[in-house]
Amino acid sequence: DAGITQSPRYKITETGRQVTLMCHQTWSHSYMFWYRQDLGHGLRLIYYSAAADITDKGEVPDGYVVSRSKTENFPLTLESATRSQTSVYFCASSDPTTTTDTQYFGPGTRLTVL
Amino acid sequence: EDQVTQSPEALRLQEGESSSLNCSYTVSGLRGLFWYRQDPGKGPEFLFTLYSAGEEKEKERLKATLTKKESFLHITAPKPEDSATYLCAVTYSGGSNYKLTFGKGTLLTVNP
Repeated sequence: DAGITQSPRYKITETGRQVTLMCHQTWSHSYMFWYRQDLGHGLRLIYYSAAADITDKGEVPDGYVVSRSKTENFPLTLESATRSQTSVYFCASSDPTTTTDTQYFGPGTRLTVL
Repeated sequence: EDQVTQSPEALRLQEGESSSLNCSYTVSGLRGLFWYRQDPGKGPEFLFTLYSAGEEKEKERLKATLTKKESFLHITAPKPEDSATYLCAVTYSGGSNYKLTFGKGTLLTVNP
């Protein structure tokens, strides 16, 4: 039972480069989420998706792009990375058809933008 | 503005010394309150969900309770392996699509 995985786990890039963070879940959950975690801010929602081809903005979407062509995958792209996007990124998923709407998180990707 | 506030920011306990963590919220129309545990370098791990005032849930040395304005995570006779950051988050009926709003967490250290 792989659950939810993220890749890469660590990434160093330079300002202006495009970076894609991958998220894959094996539970067939309809909802998927991207968060960033920064000291002093806690976890903040970037984008979420209710199903394949349905995405919506969260609290801090600027500078990020998402897509969801398949239920199990939800990649997050930084089109032109900036230093302020240095953070730890977490993907999560949930199944709202159950009695709870608990979100389950992946292990995270630590991104450094130089 | 809907907010989730956790206190204290950090708590240091001796092994066996029971205590409580607090999570207060100002959301209108709480849908659910969630507790997570996060170890360094890892993703948040789900602990509990509470939906209505008066509800309680337990897991090993942890017990979560909920009132109309706050939740407590009680830790009974903690062990060093309970050391972690504990995160509280809420969803609210006025929001959409199950979005979690997180507090900043409480860093718990249990000394042997």
